[in-house]
Amino acid sequence: EVQLVESGGGLVQPGGSLRLSCAASGFTFSSYSMNWVRQAPGKGLEWLTYISSGSRTIYYADSVKGRFTVSRDNAKNSLYLQMNSLRAEDTAVYYCARTYYDSSGYSPGAFDIWGQGTMVTVSS
Amino acid sequence: DIQMTQSPSSLSASVGDRVTITCRASQSITRYLNWYQQKPGKAPKLLIYAASNLQSGVPSRFSGGGSGTDFTLTISSLQPEDFATYYCQQSYSAPGFTFGPGTKVDIK
Repeated sequence: EVQLVESGGGLVQPGGSLRLSCAASGFTFSSYSMNWVRQAPGKGLEWLTYISSGSRTIYYADSVKGRFTVSRDNAKNSLYLQMNSLRAEDTAVYYCARTYYDSSGYSPGAFDIWGQGTMVTVSS
Repeated sequence: DIQMTQSPSSLSASVGDRVTITCRASQSITRYLNWYQQKPGKAPKLLIYAASNLQSGVPSRFSGGGSGTDFTLTISSLQPEDFATYYCQQSYSAPGFTFGPGTKVDIK
C-alpha cells in the first residue's frame, strides 16, 4: 500500500524548534518529488515547500523561507521538515504530500498521496 | 505571486443536485489547475489534475474545465459522500503552488 506517515509534531514554545518526519512506503520514494503543506485550525491549505527527487531543487513559501528547511534521505525513504524560530501562526496540521506523475512521467504538479498529518502547536 | 480565489465560499445543496464551483487565478496558469476534496479531520484527496483530468478512482460525476484564469469543478449529481470542502490549486508557478481558500459544500 502506498503510504506516507508523518511524525514529530507536538507542543513547542514560541521561538523553539521542531523536526517533522514523513516516512514513505509502497512506492519508489527516490523517484518522486515531495512537498509539505499545512492547515491552521479551521483554515485552508497552505503549500510550504517542495523538494525534487534528488534534492537539487527546493522551493519555499515566503511565510517560512529562512526559518524552515526541507530535506530528504532516499536511503531511508524519509522526508523531513526542520522548523526553527516557530511562531504562534505556525500552529497547524502539517502534511507531507507526493507529487503526482502520470504514466508517461509527466507531472502536472498535483499532489496525489498525502499523509494523515501531524499537529504542531506553538504556544507558551 | 499568483493568487487564487474560489466562489462561492460555501453552498448548500441537496442530494442529486448539480453543483459547480469556480476558481479564478490572478494571471494565466494555462491548465495547471488541480482540485482536491477534504473531509473534516482527513487529508485532502486529489480529484482533478491539469484542469480536466480525472484522477484514478474518482467517480465520473466529478468533472473539471477551464483554462487560462477561469476554472470550474462540477459535480453532476451530488451524493451524500460529496459533502466536503473543495480546494483548487495552481501548479503553474514555482515557488508557490497556491491553494484557493476553499468551498464548503453542505447539506441543504
